[in-house]
Amino acid sequence: GDSVTQMEGPVTLSEEACLTINCTYTATGYPSLFWYVQYPGEGLQLLLKATKADDKGSNKGFEATYRKETTSFHLEKGSVQVSDSAVYFCALKTQGGSEKLVFGKGTKLTVNP
Amino acid sequence: DAGITQSPRHKVTETGTPVTLRCHQTENHRYMYWYRQDPGHGLRLIHYSYGVKDTDKGEVSDGYSVSRSKTEDFLLTLESATSSQTSVYFCAISRGDSSTDTQYFGPGTRLTVL
Repeated sequence: GDSVTQMEGPVTLSEEACLTINCTYTATGYPSLFWYVQYPGEGLQLLLKATKADDKGSNKGFEATYRKETTSFHLEKGSVQVSDSAVYFCALKTQGGSEKLVFGKGTKLTVNP
Repeated sequence: DAGITQSPRHKVTETGTPVTLRCHQTENHRYMYWYRQDPGHGLRLIHYSYGVKDTDKGEVSDGYSVSRSKTEDFLLTLESATSSQTSVYFCAISRGDSSTDTQYFGPGTRLTVL
């Protein structure tokens, strides 16, 4: 079945450090890929998405590129801020009629001043 | 803001009691979902609906039932709550009009079963 694997956390960084959170997937067909972010005490918010190979999603300084050859969708940011502290979830949705998302287990990021 | 509300936001109940959680949307989206979030598991789909009175099971549906009698409301019922159902429950919606469609999430309901 479809699955998403993302790097184990927690991740702790200093402000202005570079961030990479790895995400790889297994899916039939050509899935759409998503990164969601969950701030403390809140629901999930869509951070960015990509719908086909080589697409780059970007938002709030975060980027992720859909790499079909490596089945990956790594989340990157060049300079993190304290306000980026949150849990990040990678997810996929396969084409072909199913409207269900499959999530990774989440990676908690803490950014210290 | 995707126009999703969940009620109650917090609930404490005892083992064996029935519990109903409500998800309400204001945007007439076709698809609605119920997930649970647990440490070490991410989000797991419980049930989803693709229209009024049209529902299907997700990966962790045992012990849960759902109903959708109106487009805007999707109810999740625990017929007899157990401690293993202590979790945070999230509702989500999507238009379902393309494979690239995005799901939007509600604020969550924290349920504790004693």
